Amino acid sequence: RKEVEQDPGPFNVPEGATVAFNCTYSNSASQSFFWYRQDCRKEPKLLMSVYSSGNEDGRFTAQLNRASQYISLLIRDSKLSDSATYLCVVKMDSNYQLIWGAGTKLIIKP
Amino acid sequence: EAQVTQNPRYLITVTGKKLTVTCSQNMNHEYMSWYQQDPGLGLRQIYYSMNVEVTDKGDVPEGYKVSRKEKRNFPLILESPSPNQTSLYFCASSYVTGLATSGANVLTFGAGSRLTVL
Repeated sequence: RKEVEQDPGPFNVPEGATVAFNCTYSNSASQSFFWYRQDCRKEPKLLMSVYSSGNEDGRFTAQLNRASQYISLLIRDSKLSDSATYLCVVKMDSNYQLIWGAGTKLIIKP
Repeated sequence: EAQVTQNPRYLITVTGKKLTVTCSQNMNHEYMSWYQQDPGLGLRQIYYSMNVEVTDKGDVPEGYKVSRKEKRNFPLILESPSPNQTSLYFCASSYVTGLATSGANVLTFGAGSRLTVL
């Protein structure tokens, strides 16, 4: 089983819709969680950290479910510019290593 | 402008011809790392460095070397490239304190280097 798993997609979603996807992690000792966005053939960029209480940044909401060991990302009122691959990242606080999911591809259609 | 610069961005080479991909950052970051990315796979760490003269293997170090003689530079060396090293490579850097703090992940990535080995 992979340490961090994501549905590869693609998720084809009409503009304006709400879309959500999850990321599961296998190590219960994982402490820090992040969502990165990666546009085609470009470098990943931090989208948001995921806090235990959940957090929101504009149209984006991230949630953490420790009991079921997954994090989620919800995008409301999706825009064409949201089309990208969303990478889930997990870190144990015992070291500096980041474990990356393979990403979920999102395509927003007009 | 704060950035991580990788060169070359694109390279086609032949099996066995040594090559170096340079990585330089201007943010005085202690931590630097090289990642490999292939379709359908997550970023896989090749090597990382916590500071000058300190380097460690990541998940996929075979066939690669690195050095950290200066804080700003972290070159990736392929002594004898093979076709299975055809991939997209990213260099990234961060403050160590940023990595150590739960809510302060601040990895900055270079634009990537697409390498093809024939």
